[in-house]
Amino acid sequence: NAGVTQTPKFQVLKTGQSMTLQCAQDMNHNSMYWYRQDPGMGLRLIYYSASEGTTDKGEVPNGYNVSRLNKREFSLRLESAAPSQTSVYFCASSEGGFNSPLHFGNGTRLTVT
Amino acid sequence: QKEVEQNSGPLSVPEGAIASLNCTYSDRGSQSFFWYRQYSGKSPELIMFIYSNGDKEDGRFTAQLNKASQYVSLLIRDSQPSDSATYLCAVWSGGSYIPTFGRGTSLIVHP
Repeated sequence: NAGVTQTPKFQVLKTGQSMTLQCAQDMNHNSMYWYRQDPGMGLRLIYYSASEGTTDKGEVPNGYNVSRLNKREFSLRLESAAPSQTSVYFCASSEGGFNSPLHFGNGTRLTVT
Repeated sequence: QKEVEQNSGPLSVPEGAIASLNCTYSDRGSQSFFWYRQYSGKSPELIMFIYSNGDKEDGRFTAQLNKASQYVSLLIRDSQPSDSATYLCAVWSGGSYIPTFGRGTSLIVHP
């Protein structure tokens, strides 16, 4: 049982390049989330998907897009990467609702030069 | 705006001592509370959750919730160097799809 799988683990981009971070969960969870984590800033929510077919903005959505491809997969796209997007990105999933803890993937460390 | 506050630390305790980590929250409608442990360079890992006032114990960990005072605590008994990590508090309000995370408290357990 893999849980939440993120790819890639590491990525270096040049300013202006695009890329998609992939996330898949095998726990049949309804809700999925994308966070970024920067030193001293804690976890900041970028986008979330409460259920298949829905997506909503979080605290820091600018410069990102998401796709809930199906119940298992939730991708995060950077259309034109900027150095300010250098961060560690975590995908998470939960059954949905306030009694459901989030389960995190192992993260993607992204550097934009 | 819903806020979750944690002392950033570091909290330094000797091996074998009790480490006490605290979290306060602003939304009185909050209904569930989670503690995560995050080792440096790793992802957050769920340790405990608590929904009702009082204490909940799991091995060396005890979560304490006081809704009237709007705080939740995590006690780690017999602290070990392997407990050295950042501990994140997450608070979830009823009717919301999004938990609010604190910025975490760094714990250092020294031999």
